[in-house]
Amino acid sequence: KQEVTQIPAALSVPEGENLVLNCSFTDSAIYNLQWFRQDPGKGLTSLLLIQSSQREQTSGRLNASLDKSSGRSTLYIAASQPGDSATYLCAVEDGQNFVFGPGTRLSVLP
Amino acid sequence: DVKVTQSSRYLVKRTGEKVFLECVQDMDHENMFWYRQDPGLGLRLIYFSYDVKMKEKGDIPEGYSVSREKKERFSLILESASTNQTSMYLCASAQGPGLGQYFGPGTRLTVT
Repeated sequence: KQEVTQIPAALSVPEGENLVLNCSFTDSAIYNLQWFRQDPGKGLTSLLLIQSSQREQTSGRLNASLDKSSGRSTLYIAASQPGDSATYLCAVEDGQNFVFGPGTRLSVLP
Repeated sequence: DVKVTQSSRYLVKRTGEKVFLECVQDMDHENMFWYRQDPGLGLRLIYFSYDVKMKEKGDIPEGYSVSREKKERFSLILESASTNQTSMYLCASAQGPGLGQYFGPGTRLTVT
């Protein structure tokens, strides 16, 4: 059964720092990996979707990489801002199922 | 952009009431999902649907049912609400394998 973990569970950084969030999955037979952002009390907003044949995707200050063979993905956030404070979740799609990690709670301090 | 809407952002119901949560997507997606999210438990799949009038149980279907009469609309029904169903309910849709999932804003349901 696919399992997804995220490290760290929480992270607090000063504004302007570059940071990396990690996501690991146990079964490499996936269709894609998706990173989401969730603000308190809100739904999930899709940030980046990496197809299984891709190695990375970029959107603005965000860059996500995927290494299927090792079962890992990283989300890199450049020049962090207080507005980046949120919980970040990764999810893998394998077959008809989406399996979510528990999330990393990020706080960017002004 | 994909748009997924949910009928209510906040809902307060009494124990034993029948509760309907509505979800609508505007991108002609085949697949729709209902999750609940609780602190420390993450997202848990309640039901999903791959086509009109089709439904499949997720990980925690007990106490819930669903209806999908039209492709764009997927309803979650709590037949007799209980306090342990107090939660954030999230609806999502997806076009098909490999194309990702898109979420609505969520409904915070409180059952008193």
